[in-house]
Amino acid sequence: QQPVQSPQAVILREGEDAVINCSSSKALYSVHWYRQKHGEAPVFLMILLKGGEQKGHEKISASFNEKKQQSSLYLTASQLSYSGTYFCGTEVAGGSYIPTFGRGTSLIVHP
Amino acid sequence: DVKVTQSSRYLVKRTGEKVFLECVQDMDHENMFWYRQDPGLGLRLIYFSYDVKMKEKGDIPEGYSVSREKKERFSLILESASTNQTSMYLCASSSGQANSPLHFGNGTRLTVT
Repeated sequence: QQPVQSPQAVILREGEDAVINCSSSKALYSVHWYRQKHGEAPVFLMILLKGGEQKGHEKISASFNEKKQQSSLYLTASQLSYSGTYFCGTEVAGGSYIPTFGRGTSLIVHP
Repeated sequence: DVKVTQSSRYLVKRTGEKVFLECVQDMDHENMFWYRQDPGLGLRLIYFSYDVKMKEKGDIPEGYSVSREKKERFSLILESASTNQTSMYLCASSSGQANSPLHFGNGTRLTVT
């Protein structure tokens, strides 16, 4: 079952912050985050394991709340290069450890 | 850097044709995947393989089959293409260890007319 991402789309100005959420109805083992720019392949950003850890990549960080079965991606002081579609992929505890992806969140950063 | 190469960027085929989409990875990865990407639906798993000649169905395997005769190559086969298989197809690979990231190819945009 696909995780649910929200919002579906975000429009920002450079320098503004954004949060993208990913929630699952199942107990999670880990959460992946990827960014896909238009016409390009999705690119791996980070993986979070259960344990509530927070990770960072440039000014992009994420948290994982295993009790709530959700993860959030935080984009701080957005840059034009952050534009793209963000996908979360969830691995279910006790499953095959193959990520199931959400429908994506489109992020547009304007100058 | 891991490189996942899909043989065609664009393909146009006719309804009923047999279609082969090829994918090659150069990092000796155990796992390979085929996803389908449609607007508003995200990435949906068609098939994956965790070893040569091994395959597992994903979430939407109907109308597709796969072949993995060599570790580096994973082929997606549409036995009889239909218009509802018009889509972007993405191949990916991973090392097979727990928590390993997926590395994606650039995709093949298939149009079935």
